[in-house]
Amino acid sequence: DTGVSQDPRHKITKRGQNVTFRCDPISEHNRLYWYRQTLGQGPEFLTYFQNEAQLEKSRLLSDRFSAERPKGSFSTLEIQRTEQGDSAMYLCASSAEGFTDEKLFFGSGTQLSVL
Amino acid sequence: DQQVKQNSPSLSVQEGRISILNCDYTNSMFDYFLWYKKYPAEGPTFLISISSIKDKNEDGRFTVFLNKSAKHLSLHIVPSQPGDSAVYFCAASDLRMRFGAGTRLTVKP
Repeated sequence: DTGVSQDPRHKITKRGQNVTFRCDPISEHNRLYWYRQTLGQGPEFLTYFQNEAQLEKSRLLSDRFSAERPKGSFSTLEIQRTEQGDSAMYLCASSAEGFTDEKLFFGSGTQLSVL
Repeated sequence: DQQVKQNSPSLSVQEGRISILNCDYTNSMFDYFLWYKKYPAEGPTFLISISSIKDKNEDGRFTVFLNKSAKHLSLHIVPSQPGDSAVYFCAASDLRMRFGAGTRLTVKP
């Protein structure tokens, strides 16, 4: 399977704990995105990497959130001191530069529940 | 910022009939418009797209129409099939992809 993979699929944590999610994009894709989706809403942009460079961060990404893509391949999203409002589906997507329609390929997401 | 809006949270149609899903946007700088389909417990999957310089794109049973003057696009599915039942997201791109809230389509046998 050469699609976007995310790990874990589900994460339950207690408020105040730190969590880390991993995303492995499609291997030839140099662009990687993190989105967050809550119930009844569409995916909301969080941050974007081109290769290892983080080029844009949404204002939704508070200082408790940090994302890395150290070698331009996989990426991690860490949330420190989780809050109940962080409960959401965290989606990773990748794309290749030069796609004419900017099509994103999404992983299955990590469902975070903060108790 | 609600730059992409899907005002109908749900739509129910009979198998074999046409499904029309609507989307409105506010930013005239969007380059591409896309529709994604999402099944439960899966990420969104790309369905069809249209460039801002076109007004129609067709792929099999799926057709997307773009009306730039009205800042409106629609997805037509003809004929609708029960397997089309899913949540459909409209998205627009201007360097980053912005999504509507989605419309849940139910196709009844």
